[in-house]
Amino acid sequence: DAGVIQSPRHEVTEMGQEVTLRCKPISGHDYLFWYRQTMMRGLELLIYFNNNVPIDDSGMPEDRFSAKMPNASFSTLKIQPSEPRDSAVYFCASSLFIRDSLRPVYTFGSGTRLTVV
Amino acid sequence: AQSVTQLDSQVPVFEEAPVELRCNYSSSVSVYLFWYVQYPNQGLQLLLKYLSGSTLVKGINGFEAEFNKSQTSFHLRKPSVHISDTAEYFCAVSGGRNTGRRALTFGSGTRLQVQP
Repeated sequence: DAGVIQSPRHEVTEMGQEVTLRCKPISGHDYLFWYRQTMMRGLELLIYFNNNVPIDDSGMPEDRFSAKMPNASFSTLKIQPSEPRDSAVYFCASSLFIRDSLRPVYTFGSGTRLTVV
Repeated sequence: AQSVTQLDSQVPVFEEAPVELRCNYSSSVSVYLFWYVQYPNQGLQLLLKYLSGSTLVKGINGFEAEFNKSQTSFHLRKPSVHISDTAEYFCAVSGGRNTGRRALTFGSGTRLQVQP
């Protein structure tokens, strides 16, 4: 199992440009989460999906952020237009819950370090 | 709502000394509890988790944690630390069974600095 795969690992972009972050969850996992990590705010939940359906997007900071999960093996987080304050490490995680399983497993990707200049 | 408080932002300790990293949580429903470690410029690695059963949980790299429901705590301990344990440690909580609260809520992290 290759784990949760995120791309790119690093992204440097200019203010105003569109940025797309990608995530491939572990095969068979039914939940996918997007987190953002900054020094000031720590690890924040942005949005999460269950079986490709967005369940809670209350953490998405503003309309410039959007996330999609077109199928069980792929998700994107898009920022348009990007701003310097969006600079952070963005993590994707996936998890499996089976009928309120007693053994949930959350696995994180290596993250995408985004720098907006 | 759920929240996690990690009382110490930094913990300096000498090599081979014991260490305890403190974590308290707040939740109106049952919880699952987790500790993750993050090495510089890397992702989050699971150290251990409490789901149910024995309140003393053993994890990787010699770490253990004890769930104390009355004190709403889940402190992480290691009897003898190594230089390689230097990293950021995060405590996290999710809803327990049948709560439907799937997302992890993280504490602010504790930087463990092991000195020779």
